[in-house]
Parts: sequence; structure tokens; C-alpha cells
Amino acid sequence: TQLLEQSPQFLSIQEGENLTVYCNSSSVFSSLQWYRQEPGEGPVLLVTVVTGGEVKKLKRLTFQFGDARKDSSLHITAAQPGDTGLYLCAGARSGGGADGLTFGKGTHLIIQP
Amino acid sequence: GAGVSQSPSNKVTEKGKDVELRCDPISGHTALYWYRQSLGQGLEFLIYFQGNSAPDKSGLPSDRFSAERTGGSVSTLTIQRTQQEDSAVYLCASSEARNTGELFFGEGSRLTVL
Repeated sequence: TQLLEQSPQFLSIQEGENLTVYCNSSSVFSSLQWYRQEPGEGPVLLVTVVTGGEVKKLKRLTFQFGDARKDSSLHITAAQPGDTGLYLCAGARSGGGADGLTFGKGTHLIIQP
Repeated sequence: GAGVSQSPSNKVTEKGKDVELRCDPISGHTALYWYRQSLGQGLEFLIYFQGNSAPDKSGLPSDRFSAERTGGSVSTLTIQRTQQEDSAVYLCASSEARNTGELFFGEGSRLTVL
């Protein structure tokens, strides 16, 4: 069972455009993490959101955690080729441990110059 | 080193052979995870070590897969009698937090089974 659904799976846009990717679940999470993975590298944490309704900004990236802590979105403004990569969300449930962290399948993002 | 180190970075083997993949986590991190990532897919959890506790092996896909963590540090993932469907990138991550804090990933070991 895929507890975290990410959409879209693939997205290719031109430099300068805006985009939003989504991470949805029917489960409630204590926190949610977003990672970016570039080819040949491991994922790197971008942000962790903890409070329902929380919004965090990281330069041109805006992350939002849903009020019910079941979903999250990542909005990129004026996308740059350097934003290209696989974006993974990971939801954490209370109690910790490996089974407390669930990864989505990711959104493959390509920003064309 | 400062980050999670994995070796080998690339491994090509023949079907039926055994392989060992190594992970050297960040010093002081008590939690260590192994994930498998197939082409175009997300991360599939394999096994989790936390301190001296018994590992969580619930993600291992078959009894051909096993892992050890010696001295609470270096971990080895062993795949016996490899099959073509085992071809993937095997990622190791470590964390300092007992609960699900930030995971620090290595660059992965790409396994190709011919």
C-alpha cells in the first residue's frame, strides 16, 4: 500500500515558470520531510514541516503542510535549471523507527533552459 | 569523512553470485537505514538499525538479503544468489535522532546483475 502519493510523477517545464508538486495521504503524520535527489547522489533534506498549516520558505521554494497533517505541497517560483531533480516527500508517524518514515515515489522535475 | 560513505559505488555481477555492500555512517549517528531505489522509483525500505536494539528487518524482500552492523558503526548489506531483479541503487542513510529526524544519505551503490 502506497501511503504517500506524489503528483505529478514527471514534470518538464521551461526556466522561469512556476510549479507545484503535491504529496497526499489518508494518514496523519507527525511531521513531513522534503528531499531533493540529483542523479548519482543520495537524497538531501530540504525542509521539515511539523505543524498543521505550517508554511516554510527556502529561497524560491515554498513548502506547506496541510491543516490536517495529511498532505503537503512544494511550490517553486521562477524555476531554474538547478532545480532539476527528484523531489521526495517522507512522512513521519509518532513513535519513530524505520517504519515510522514513509517515502513517496517522488516527482521527477526537469527545468529546461 | 564528514558524510555517509558507501562502497562500492558501482558493482556488476553475474546472476547467482553473492555481493556485499558497505556503509560507513556519520560518526555518532545511532540509527542506520538501508533503502533500495529501482529505476524511476522512490525509496523502498529494507532494514533499520537503532543502537543496540534488534534490527527492523521487515523490509527485506527475501531471505537472500541480510545485513549486519558491527560495533554500532559500519554496516554490510549482503545479497546472496543475486537475481536480475536485484539490480538497483542501494542507499544507506544514518540519523542522530532516535525518532525520525533528518536522514543523511550516502551516494548509493549501483548494483547491476547480468
